[in-house]
Amino acid sequence: AQSVTQLGSHVSVSEGALVLLRCNYSSSVPPYLFWYVQYPNQGLQLLLKYTSAATLVKGINGFEAEFKKSETSFHLTKPSAHMSDAAEYFCASQRDSSYKLIFGSGTRLLVRP
Amino acid sequence: KAGVTQTPRYLIKTRGQQVTLSCSPISGHRSVSWYQQTPGQGLQFLFEYFSETQRNKGNFPGRFSGRQFSNSRSEMNVSTLELGDSALYLCASSLTGGSQETQYFGPGTRLLVL
Repeated sequence: AQSVTQLGSHVSVSEGALVLLRCNYSSSVPPYLFWYVQYPNQGLQLLLKYTSAATLVKGINGFEAEFKKSETSFHLTKPSAHMSDAAEYFCASQRDSSYKLIFGSGTRLLVRP
Repeated sequence: KAGVTQTPRYLIKTRGQQVTLSCSPISGHRSVSWYQQTPGQGLQFLFEYFSETQRNKGNFPGRFSGRQFSNSRSEMNVSTLELGDSALYLCASSLTGGSQETQYFGPGTRLLVL
């Protein structure tokens, strides 16, 4: 069955430090992969998506993610954290044959001043 | 272009009651999907509608139902509410509901069942 695992329910970084949020997928066929961000009392906003065109995907707000088939991973990174990056981040996968998104359990990012 | 809107934003109901939530997609989008978000189960897919027809359905009991109107607006109904139905209900829209399409999410309706 298709699933998404996010390692670390909470990640804390200092402002200006590297942000690394981990996501691994489980699927016999590489799925489409997405990263969404959720700010308090808001819905989900798409940061970036992988649809097999390029393994390194650049998104909004300076985020990027690299698809690694050999590691079944799609980790999200940002070189320098900003206070405004504090939010919850969700990795999601989607099969070619299905519309629904399968979400990971989320990682809450805390940014220390 | 206006985003996905959901009404109401907050709702308090008691067990046994029923509730209807509304979602207006982005103009031109014909696919609307619904997700439930809870601290325990996370984000789970409920169902998806396209051209007034339910195309995909998640693993939820029959108490959860929905419909879509000719203008693509969608409603979700939950009958005989249970405490466990307390959640944030998110609606998302996309152009045609094809895979790879970005799903744009609304702010959600937070339902509290007492």
